[in-house]
Amino acid sequence: AQSVSQHNHHVILSEAASLELGCNYSYGGTVNLFWYVQYPGQHLQLLLKYFSGDPLVKGIKGFEAEFIKSKFSFNLRKPSVQWSDTAEYFCAVWSNNAGNMLTFGGGTRLMVKP
Amino acid sequence: ETGVTQSPTHLIKTRGQQVTLRCSSQSGHNTVSWYQQALGQGPQFIFQYYREEENGRGNFPPRFSGLQFPNYSSELNVNALELDDSALYLCASSPGTGVAGELFFGEGSRLTVL
Repeated sequence: AQSVSQHNHHVILSEAASLELGCNYSYGGTVNLFWYVQYPGQHLQLLLKYFSGDPLVKGIKGFEAEFIKSKFSFNLRKPSVQWSDTAEYFCAVWSNNAGNMLTFGGGTRLMVKP
Repeated sequence: ETGVTQSPTHLIKTRGQQVTLRCSSQSGHNTVSWYQQALGQGPQFIFQYYREEENGRGNFPPRFSGLQFPNYSSELNVNALELDDSALYLCASSPGTGVAGELFFGEGSRLTVL
């Protein structure tokens, strides 16, 4: 079965620390990869996306992610987190042989201490 | 703000009852997807509507049904409610011509089944 795994359920960091959140997927075929973020009390919103080209993609608020096809991974990074990055982060995958379904990982809850 | 609006925001039902949730898609978007997000989990795909036709369905029983109207707004209906149906129900719209999987989410309808 197709799936998306996020390795860390909860992460606590101090401001200015570096962040890396892991995401692995199991899909065949062409994939589009996403990171969505949900800030407290807000709706899910797109952080960044990859569908072709340069495997290192940059998103909003200084986030970036790297697609490594051989490892089926799409890890999210940020060199220096801020308190305002406190949120839940979801990795998601769309595959051309999985219907029109966007499959989400279980999410990582990030808390940044000021 | 995404322009996707959902109603009601919160509701409480009892087992066996039926519920209808509503969604207005973002202007210009002809595709609507519905997701169920249980507490502590990532969103799970229920189904998608494109131009008033179901265009993909996840692993949900037939008592979960939907409609899309000519103005692209949508309804999610759940019959014979069970306790496990308690969740946040997310509606997401997309233009149908953009990157597959890039969705614009509403804030959700939180359903509690007692």
